[in-house]
Amino acid sequence: DGGITQSPKYLFRKEGQNVTLSCEQNLNHDAMYWYRQDPGQGLRLIYYSQIVNDFQKGDIAEGYSVSREKKESFPLTVTSAQKNPTAFYLCASSIAADISIYNEQFFGPGTRLTVL
Amino acid sequence: AQSVTQLDSHVSVSEGTPVLLRCNYSSSYSPSLFWYVQHPNKGLQLLLKYTSAATLVKGINGFEAEFKKSETSFHLTKPSAHMSDAAEYFCVVSDRVSGTYKYIFGTGTRLKVLA
Repeated sequence: DGGITQSPKYLFRKEGQNVTLSCEQNLNHDAMYWYRQDPGQGLRLIYYSQIVNDFQKGDIAEGYSVSREKKESFPLTVTSAQKNPTAFYLCASSIAADISIYNEQFFGPGTRLTVL
Repeated sequence: AQSVTQLDSHVSVSEGTPVLLRCNYSSSYSPSLFWYVQHPNKGLQLLLKYTSAATLVKGINGFEAEFKKSETSFHLTKPSAHMSDAAEYFCVVSDRVSGTYKYIFGTGTRLKVLA
């Protein structure tokens, strides 16, 4: 059963702590993305990766970090430098990021992060 | 840069009546447009996409959208709403930035279906 998995579904963090959100895909996609969703604001791009061991900042990368050591995995770390981390985080993947404007992105089920 | 505007943040319809969710875009070239649906606390699911092959695009669950270049619109419609259609809907345009294609999201329209 192909798709994207994210874990955990819900995550609670104390202020000052770093937390890592997991994203795994078995679609054999080259490109992976992390988005943040806040009510009434749509989705905003945090980081994306077109290939293993390479990633680029999106529109709101400050306070976040990522790694891409394997094609299947693209974990996101929310650091203590992120001032307002409470949000819904969505991971996505696509075949590639630079081949076609028509390539669709496939989304995981999301992780809801709450800072206590 | 491309942009997308969803004209209504909330839409309410009665079950069995037509649905219209409006989306306008700005683009300096032929765009790629998508509609996604999101149920509460879930990921996004693709409903349909415009790829320039046909201006009327049919998607899943009875939804369709018409690309109108003269109006720069890509409105989503469904002839008869079902209770299960209650969700948030996002219009998305794909933009080429520094050699890669990125999604630009609208702010979403929350559809409420009344019994």
